[in-house]
Amino acid sequence: EAQVTQNPRYLITVTGKKLTVTCSQNMNHEYMSWYRQDPGLGLRQIYYSMNVEVTDKGDVPEGYKVSRKEKRNFPLILESPSPNQTSLYFCASSLSTGSSNQPQHFGDGTRLSIL
Amino acid sequence: AQSVAQPEDQVNVAEGNPLTVKCTYSVSGNPYLFWYVQYPNRGLQFLLKYITGDNLVKGSYGFEAEFNKSQTSFHLKKPSALVSDSALYFCAVRDDTGRRALTFGSGTRLQVQP
Repeated sequence: EAQVTQNPRYLITVTGKKLTVTCSQNMNHEYMSWYRQDPGLGLRQIYYSMNVEVTDKGDVPEGYKVSRKEKRNFPLILESPSPNQTSLYFCASSLSTGSSNQPQHFGDGTRLSIL
Repeated sequence: AQSVAQPEDQVNVAEGNPLTVKCTYSVSGNPYLFWYVQYPNRGLQFLLKYITGDNLVKGSYGFEAEFNKSQTSFHLKKPSALVSDSALYFCAVRDDTGRRALTFGSGTRLQVQP
């Protein structure tokens, strides 16, 4: 089954304790992206990757890091989490065929609470 | 810059009645427009997209959307609502000028009453 898998689904942690949210897709997609969803704001892009070793900032990258060492994986790293990063996070992937009209496939989300 | 506006936080409709969820957009080039649906505790699911061609686009679960260039709108419609259509709906836009980020609206909650 084609899917985007995020782990963990839920995490409660404390300010300053480094954490990583993993994302893996089995569709051989080139493009991967991380979003955060906050009430009234919709989804905002944090980082995206066009392919292996190619990453770029989205609209709200501050406080986050990413890496793309393998095509299937795109982890999101919070080096020193703060309470304002409490949110619902989604990973997404899509084909990248030189155009930007491909729909994205989303994971089921990771709810992070930073105390 | 590109942006999406969904002017209604919530839309209520009776089962069997037609529904419309509104979306307007702003992009610098030609728009690529998408509708996604989110059910509780799940990620977003793709419903339909407009790239070029016919202004009326048909998608999953009986939904359709009408692209109106002069009004910069892309409203989501369904002729007969089902209770199971109750969910959170997001409109999204991306331009064709090379910037690849997808910009989402703030979402509209659709509530279909039996």
